[in-house]
Amino acid sequence: AQSVSQHNHHVILSEAASLELGCNYSYGGTVNLFWYVQYPGQHLQLLLKYFSGDPLVKGIKGFEAEFIKSKFSFNLRKPSVQWSDTAEYFCAVNAKNQGGKLIFGQGTELSVKP
Amino acid sequence: EAGVAQSPRYKIIEKRQSVAFWCNPISGHATLYWYQQILGQGPKLLIQFQNNGVVDDSQLPKDRFSAERLKGVDSTLKIQPAKLEDSAVYLCASSLGVGSSYEQYFGPGTRLTVT
Repeated sequence: AQSVSQHNHHVILSEAASLELGCNYSYGGTVNLFWYVQYPGQHLQLLLKYFSGDPLVKGIKGFEAEFIKSKFSFNLRKPSVQWSDTAEYFCAVNAKNQGGKLIFGQGTELSVKP
Repeated sequence: EAGVAQSPRYKIIEKRQSVAFWCNPISGHATLYWYQQILGQGPKLLIQFQNNGVVDDSQLPKDRFSAERLKGVDSTLKIQPAKLEDSAVYLCASSLGVGSSYEQYFGPGTRLTVT
C-alpha cells in the first residue's frame, strides 16, 4: 500500500531562516507528487506539484521542491521564510494508475517567529 | 470564481446519532472527492465521484457511511450511526476531471465532534 511520511510534526523558525521539510513516499510505480499548504483559517491549497521532467519544481511564494527518485523523496524548501509562511504543510502522492486519489502525509506545522 | 462550498461548518452530535454533510463543488467540475481528516493526520480519501458515478469508494466504511451525488453536482455524505472515532474534519474537493493532472480545490471542511 502507498504511504507518505513527513519527518517533522512541528518546526519553529525565525524569520529569514531557511526551511526544508522532508517527505518520503512508499510506492514502487510512477507517481505524481504534491505539496499542499493550509494557512490558519483557510482552505487547503496547492503549493506546487511534480509530474515529470526537471526534478526541481518551483511553486508559489518562493517555495521549491526536489524530487529524488532514488530516495523516494520530495522535500520542500524555501531559502528565507517569512512570518506569513506560518501554516500546516502536507505532502501528497498520487499513483498514475489510480485516478485522482491523493495519499497525504500527516502534515508539518510550521511556526515562523517574527 | 466561487470556491467549493460546504455546510455545516461545525456539528456536534452524540454517538449513535446520524449526521449529514453537504458539498457544492465549483461549477463545471466533474469530479468530486470526500476526505476525512482526523486530528494530527493528513486527509484520507473516502469516496470519489465522476459526475454522478462512483470512481473509488474503497476506503468508505460502508456499514455506516454513505454518499451520493445526484445529478452530478451537489453531494451529501451521511454517517449513521456515528461513533466516537468519526470525530474529524470532513473535506470536500472538486476538480475538472479525473486524474491528478487536474488540480483539486478544497472546501473549508465540516468539523464533526461525536460525544
